[in-house]
Amino acid sequence: SQQGEEDPQALSIQEGENATMNCSYKTSINNLQWYRQNSGRGLVHLILIRSNEREKHSGRLRVTLDTSKKSSSLLITASRAADTASYFCATDEGTYKYIFGTGTRLKVLA
Amino acid sequence: DAGITQSPRHKVTETGTPVTLRCHQTENHRYMYWYRQDPGHGLRLIHYSYGVKDTDKGEVSDGYSVSRSKTEDFLLTLESATSSQTSVYFCAISEGPHTEAFFGQGTRLTVV
Repeated sequence: SQQGEEDPQALSIQEGENATMNCSYKTSINNLQWYRQNSGRGLVHLILIRSNEREKHSGRLRVTLDTSKKSSSLLITASRAADTASYFCATDEGTYKYIFGTGTRLKVLA
Repeated sequence: DAGITQSPRHKVTETGTPVTLRCHQTENHRYMYWYRQDPGHGLRLIHYSYGVKDTDKGEVSDGYSVSRSKTEDFLLTLESATSSQTSVYFCAISEGPHTEAFFGQGTRLTVV
């Protein structure tokens, strides 16, 4: 079964708006990661947040982690058309295998 | 891009034939993974390796086997391909057990 589940499944916004997507997971983790996948390509790592961290920033990306609720959110600020992609969270289930969710498809309209 | 090469990139095969996909890395990373990606299912882990000759099953390992005889190569074999194994297969590598993973470009496999 999937460890991480992203919400919403699909999101459509205007360029310049912020995009927020959420991830829920089931078991304890060492870290949670977010990846981006452009159509027809492999996944690209965006950011890793460890279980003892609550928030992390990287450029226009902001990730939060709430281990008590077993959830994380990814915020993309001032979105651009180039941000159009699918976004996945991945957790390690406390082991060394990464389990991915089903992803959020983000479309940024110019 | 991290040094990961998947081969072949595309393959069409017939039901019942064996198929081997190759993942080759030049990063000397210890951990290697095989995933399949299907609409509505996201990425599902098939098998992974935590060292040479050290492998373990993932979520959807039935019908698949793997081998890793050297650090740089991780092979995924479909013993007898079925139509349900039509998918896009991704290889990934990571340096440590809790570090970022780097993905290959994928192999699109069609079983007819």
